[in-house]
Amino acid sequence: EDQVTQSPEALRLQEGESSSLNCSYTVSGLRGLFWYRQDPGKGPEFLFTLYSAGEEKEKERLKATLTKKESFLHITAPKPEDSATYLCAVPGEGGSEKLVFGKGTKLTVNP
Amino acid sequence: DAGITQSPRHKVTETGTPVTLRCHQTENHRYMYWYRQDPGHGLRLIHYSYGVKDTDKGEVSDGYSVSRSKTEDFLLTLESATSSQTSVYFCAIRAGLPYNEQFFGPGTRLTVL
Repeated sequence: EDQVTQSPEALRLQEGESSSLNCSYTVSGLRGLFWYRQDPGKGPEFLFTLYSAGEEKEKERLKATLTKKESFLHITAPKPEDSATYLCAVPGEGGSEKLVFGKGTKLTVNP
Repeated sequence: DAGITQSPRHKVTETGTPVTLRCHQTENHRYMYWYRQDPGHGLRLIHYSYGVKDTDKGEVSDGYSVSRSKTEDFLLTLESATSSQTSVYFCAIRAGLPYNEQFFGPGTRLTVL
């Protein structure tokens, strides 16, 4: 059973069209939720850590929020350069040293 | 930039040959990780290290071994490569405090023919 599920798998937006990506998780006793951005041919780039329900973090056009069972990555007025795959991850049941990743949401922003 | 380099960046090899991938970090982080990334599976942990000569298995460790003789280097070895090990391999270090965020290297694309 997947511990981390991301939706949608792919999302196409027009420049300026705001939307949200979802990350739901089933691990108990959450010890942090991490968002990454990955460009083609590159390693994941760290974006945010969320640790407690109700917490929010922002960076440019991105805002991440956390509830008890899911996180949202809100993208406001996106630009083509926001096109990437967005990954979320949580520490697995075995401990905080092992991250479990979702399969990602591939975001395409058309000009 | 977390000061992580991986070598080689690309490699093509044949089934049955041994392959070693290297991860090098410059900031003395204690924890280092090897992941593989495949379409439809996302990133999966192969092995990790929590210190020199201290390693443990991840989710997909079969067919892989690791070694860490120095803090800065973490090696991933495929003793006898198979086509199912064709993948993109990422090294990561754990650096964030207090939440232990992981930071990734640029990756190695391995093709096993």
